[in-house]
Amino acid sequence: KNEVEQSPQNLTAQEGEFITINCSYSVGISALHWLQQHPGGGIVSLFMLSSGKKKHGRLIATINIQEKHSSLHITASHPRDSAVYICAAFFYGGSQGNLIFGKGTKLSVKP
Amino acid sequence: NAGVTQTPKFQVLKTGQSMTLQCAQDMNHEYMSWYRQDPGMGLRLIHYSVGAGITDQGEVPNGYNVSRSTTEDFPLRLLSAAPSQTSVYFCASSYGAPTEQFFGPGTRLTVL
Repeated sequence: KNEVEQSPQNLTAQEGEFITINCSYSVGISALHWLQQHPGGGIVSLFMLSSGKKKHGRLIATINIQEKHSSLHITASHPRDSAVYICAAFFYGGSQGNLIFGKGTKLSVKP
Repeated sequence: NAGVTQTPKFQVLKTGQSMTLQCAQDMNHEYMSWYRQDPGMGLRLIHYSVGAGITDQGEVPNGYNVSRSTTEDFPLRLLSAAPSQTSVYFCASSYGAPTEQFFGPGTRLTVL
């Protein structure tokens, strides 16, 4: 069964801390998507990756295909990073129906 | 460029009523999808479309109907609303699979 697990479910950090959110999946995938859901509910795409590492500002996403694991890192965290972070895996099969979402990690960054 | 738009933002229905959630995109994306988001659960796929005239069921299609007559629009119809359909509904579009998903702002639906 295609499954995506995220950890931790909830994360509280102090401003400036380095944050890591983990995502693991059950079988082979063609790509992995990291998304951010703002407290107001909107969902935006952060990264899409199928190998290696991507960086955008203070956000870094990595993926290890052999270990079936991806991480999202936030350096020098800020209260505006408070949001729910969601990973979603495109399992092989290629169709839209093979995009499975994790339950999300709720991050709260305190000033 | 408006991206993905959804209407309405909020809706309250009585059990048994029907309604249509609207979704439109102006990015010329072939793929469009409807998801529902419930507390403690990940986004779950209701229906999706890979182009005008082509739709398919996702994980939780029961009680919902879709059609795709144009590239831009992908409405979701609730045939006879039930309290179990109380949820937040998101429409998304993309160039294909697997490619980056663009989400609408969501519709919060309550069925009494």
